Formats: sequence, C-alpha cells, structure tokens
Amino acid sequence: DQQVKQNSPSLSVQEGRISILNCDYTNSMFDYFLWYKKYPAEGPTFLISISSIKDKNEDGRFTVFLNKSAKHLSLHIVPSQPGDSAVYFCAASVSGTYKYIFGTGTRLKVLA
Amino acid sequence: NAGVMQNPRHLVRRRGQEARLRCSPMKGHSHVYWYRQLPEEGLKFMVYLQKENIIDESGMPKERFSAEFPKEGPSILRIQQVVRGDSAAYFCASSEGGGQPSPLHFGNGTRLTVT
Repeated sequence: DQQVKQNSPSLSVQEGRISILNCDYTNSMFDYFLWYKKYPAEGPTFLISISSIKDKNEDGRFTVFLNKSAKHLSLHIVPSQPGDSAVYFCAASVSGTYKYIFGTGTRLKVLA
Repeated sequence: NAGVMQNPRHLVRRRGQEARLRCSPMKGHSHVYWYRQLPEEGLKFMVYLQKENIIDESGMPKERFSAEFPKEGPSILRIQQVVRGDSAAYFCASSEGGGQPSPLHFGNGTRLTVT
C-alpha cells in the first residue's frame, strides 16, 4: 500500500521557468511533509518541509504548498536552473512517530 | 565533515557471504534509520534505532537481516548469506529525535552488489 505517491516519474522544464512537482498521500494522520533532492551516487538532501498547520512554506527559490483537503502537496522551483536536475522525493510523517514514508520520486530535467 | 558518514561506499559480495554496512550519525543525533533503494524504486524504510535499542524493524526482511546501534561506535546493518536480490543502495539517516518533527539527514549510501 503506497501511502505517498508521486505519479509523474519524470518532468522536463526549460531553464528559467517554473518546475512543479506533485505528491499525493492517503493517510490523513500525516502532519509533517518534506521534500528531498537526490543526485546520482549521493544520498538524498533535505530541501524544505511543511507542517500541516501551514499551507505554504517558502525558502529562496523553493516553495512547498499543502492542500490538506485534497491530501496533496507540491514543490515549486522558480526559476529553475540546470543544477536543479535531480530526482525529487516527497516524504510524510506523523508527528511524534518516527516513520517517514517516501514517494517513488520524480526525475526533473532542467534544459539549458 | 559533521554529516552522516557511511562506509564502505561500494561493497561487492558473492552469494552466501556476509555484508556489513556501517553508519555514523550526525553529531548530536541519537536516532538512526536505515532505508533501502532498489533500482528504479523509491526509498523503503527498513529499521529505526536509538542507542542500544531497536525501536521498529518492521521494514526488515525477517531472515538474514539485522541491525544494531551500540552505545559506542557506529550503527551496523548486517546481511547474512547475501543473495542477488539484496543488491541495492542502502542509506542511513539520522535525526535529532525529541518531540518536534525534524528532517532526516542522509549519508551517501552503500551500494551493495551481490555477484
């Protein structure tokens, strides 16, 4: 049972444009969400997180939006840069627990 | 480097041998997680440990796999009698723990190849 889903395995975007990566979840108990970026042969790197008490969190070029009623979150990267080309994972957790459930990832390619 | 350290980066084992993967968490972190990534798949939770305690090993195969996080030294993920299906990237992560949610910080992984 995949509780966290990233339905787009890949995405290509022109440099300078917006990249939007999507993530859906099924467990309504999740209240803490994270995005990670992963380059080949490296470990995932934490990008940004959001608690369910918010619907938006911004950090530089990265913004995460949370729609609790739709059980959906998205990561916006503006403007996209070639160095952003990587696999992006969303993850979800229930506060006070220790389990972080990851999606299967979306491979972003930013074209110069 | 105060990040999560994993070694070795690459490990080749023949079928039937044992694999030992080591992980030193970030300084100040007392919670360690192990995840496995099979080719073209996401990260699958294996086990969560605190010092000297296994808290949740529900993601670990019932046989051949074990993990520990001793009072002194790194966390160890041990795979006995490896098979080809164990070939994967194994990532260790650590967190501060405590009451507030906090992100996991990952090491660069150990890529296990079973021949």
